[in-house]
Amino acid sequence: DAGVTQSPTHLIKTRGQQVTLRCSPISGHKSVSWYQQVLGQGPQFIFQYYEKEERGRGNFPDRFSARQFPNYSSELNVNALLLGDSALYLCASSFGALSSEQYFGPGTRLTVT
Amino acid sequence: DAKTTQPTSMDCAEGRAANLPCNHSTISGNEYVYWYRQIHSQGPQYIIHGLKNNETNEMASLIITEDRKSSTLILPHATLRDTAVYYCIVRVPHTGGFKTIFGAGTRLFVKA
Repeated sequence: DAGVTQSPTHLIKTRGQQVTLRCSPISGHKSVSWYQQVLGQGPQFIFQYYEKEERGRGNFPDRFSARQFPNYSSELNVNALLLGDSALYLCASSFGALSSEQYFGPGTRLTVT
Repeated sequence: DAKTTQPTSMDCAEGRAANLPCNHSTISGNEYVYWYRQIHSQGPQYIIHGLKNNETNEMASLIITEDRKSSTLILPHATLRDTAVYYCIVRVPHTGGFKTIFGAGTRLFVKA
């Protein structure tokens, strides 16, 4: 079975632009979580979605939004990009909202210039 | 939200046990301790988790103190491939979901 997949792998945007990142969970998994990892730091929780509903939100501004589709895939949107948004964006899937194990994808490397 | 504190880095000789400590003194009664590791440029990999009792799986053992304020991840026979950043995290449950809070992690170097 394929693991968690994310697209694109790398992305370069300029300040003020908007970006959409995509994630496909492991088949059968219904929960997707998003994390931001700045170089040299641990991942920071952004959102958790389960059955198309938001189930958790980290301390990120409203410029960050996400949604989950009926097939459980998910998109993360970031508006009005800032230089500080440059990071590795990780998606993790789990079977349920409270499942013990999360499986992470390889991430999308976003560079804002 | 509960936070975790870990050493910045540790060394371990190949074949020896690696003991990675974590402090989570503000953890609440319903918050689980999880361990993940991240090898350079890959997504984090789940290792083990626990609430109160010690846990063991094919990868590692997790020892949680009785007061739950700290824990230790034990890799019984470290190999070179265990060189990675190890994260001790607290998962904070709330209505219908959870927040996962990562710290800065411990960079483990396994040396031949």
